[in-house]
Amino acid sequence: GQSLEQPSEVTAVEGAIVQINCTYQTSGFYGLSWYQQHDGGAPTFLSYNALDGLEETGRFSSFLSRSDSYGYLLLQELQMKDSASYFCAVATGKLIFGQGTTLQVKP
Amino acid sequence: GAVVSQHPSWVICKSGTSVKIECRSLDFQATTMFWYRQFPKQSLMLMATSNEGSKATYEQGVEKDKFLINHASLTLSTLTVTSAHPEDSSFYICSARDQGVRAGYTFGSGTRLTVV
Repeated sequence: GQSLEQPSEVTAVEGAIVQINCTYQTSGFYGLSWYQQHDGGAPTFLSYNALDGLEETGRFSSFLSRSDSYGYLLLQELQMKDSASYFCAVATGKLIFGQGTTLQVKP
Repeated sequence: GAVVSQHPSWVICKSGTSVKIECRSLDFQATTMFWYRQFPKQSLMLMATSNEGSKATYEQGVEKDKFLINHASLTLSTLTVTSAHPEDSSFYICSARDQGVRAGYTFGSGTRLTVV
């Protein structure tokens, strides 16, 4: 089976940088994705890592270490609108989600 | 980009009735679609994987007779919640595999089901 672990909650202030970690155990691993979900909405795709290293997309970056079964999402220059839930998900032929991290951005 | 249209966005039904949710890939063919369920403050739990022209594969613990999945064409998958009960009230989200999309998965906008 698959299992993913990420922190349940993170709090940060506007303008700061926050890192959300994700560790996983799985078989048939293709890559690690990150999704953002606001209350009542569908998940929106943020980033995907198939290979080790850092992927940068604007204020968001994601990192993967396949040997460590570990990844993280880095959010820079935090804005109030970044307050949401963030999910890591492993792609194994299907997409399995972690439990999610609730990010609260404070003024 | 790839778009997945999901309808209805919300539905209220009486206990004991059935509800059908549609998921359509608008500009690509989706041989594989996925159905998730999400309870408040929880993660997205994969319910089943549907492949066009074949039976769906259900995750452990999901009742296949209660959650009927049909994937009759390359652009349409449906989820029917049969004999719905209040505990089936949840947010249902579909996803389609699209090789042309980075990371390969496109999500619908979700359906909020409330059973009264």
